[in-house]
Amino acid sequence: QSVLTQPPSVSAAPGQKVTISCSGSSSNIGNNYVSWYQQLPGTAPKLLIYDDNKRPSGIPDRFSASKSGTSATLGITGLQTGDEADYYCGTWDSSLSGYVFGAGTSVSVL
Amino acid sequence: QVQLVQSGSELTEPGASLKISCKASGYTFTNHGVSWVRKAPGQGLEWMGWINTSTGKATYAQGFTGRSAFSLDTSVSTAYLQISGLKAEDTAVYYCARVRYNSGWYFDYWGQGTLVTVSS
Repeated sequence: QSVLTQPPSVSAAPGQKVTISCSGSSSNIGNNYVSWYQQLPGTAPKLLIYDDNKRPSGIPDRFSASKSGTSATLGITGLQTGDEADYYCGTWDSSLSGYVFGAGTSVSVL
Repeated sequence: QVQLVQSGSELTEPGASLKISCKASGYTFTNHGVSWVRKAPGQGLEWMGWINTSTGKATYAQGFTGRSAFSLDTSVSTAYLQISGLKAEDTAVYYCARVRYNSGWYFDYWGQGTLVTVSS
């Protein structure tokens, strides 16, 4: 059971927006930067967001993220079938002295 | 360009040991740590720990101490994950990932994954 809580799944129609929440505590999200990863079926995870809200080069601005207190949110706008994947939040946990991932959220495009 | 290339799939029996490699290219290997991440069937990503490629110091996550060991061969820019006393529950895809920790911790490049199947 992860210390970061994500919804198991979210879905929306093509072109719409989805948001994925990631809830933690002061030992992780509340005092450390959050990153987000996309894992397409059968492939390795890919970095989408780092340092709470920064996009690596090549990541479209349809992907955005924010953080408030002990929760973080990933947003995907203009949803495409190619966005169907599992999405994971992650951050350092100061109490565990280790990196933690959320359990992952499966995004479906209806 | 930065690449992490892992060794191929493994099919092994319970009780055996195996060693997975992760060869880095496109950057100075000792400038960035390497983490190992496990993805078991039907489960999420689990951080196993990391190795500081500059000092060789390995740090293991809770639950991965004892049977897991990280090592390096900096002469060939390669990190290794060894797992001993394999159990059926070790069946998973194992990923290596380059660590960034300038500000926050994150993993900017990942290997393609190595499927390990433990079965008698």
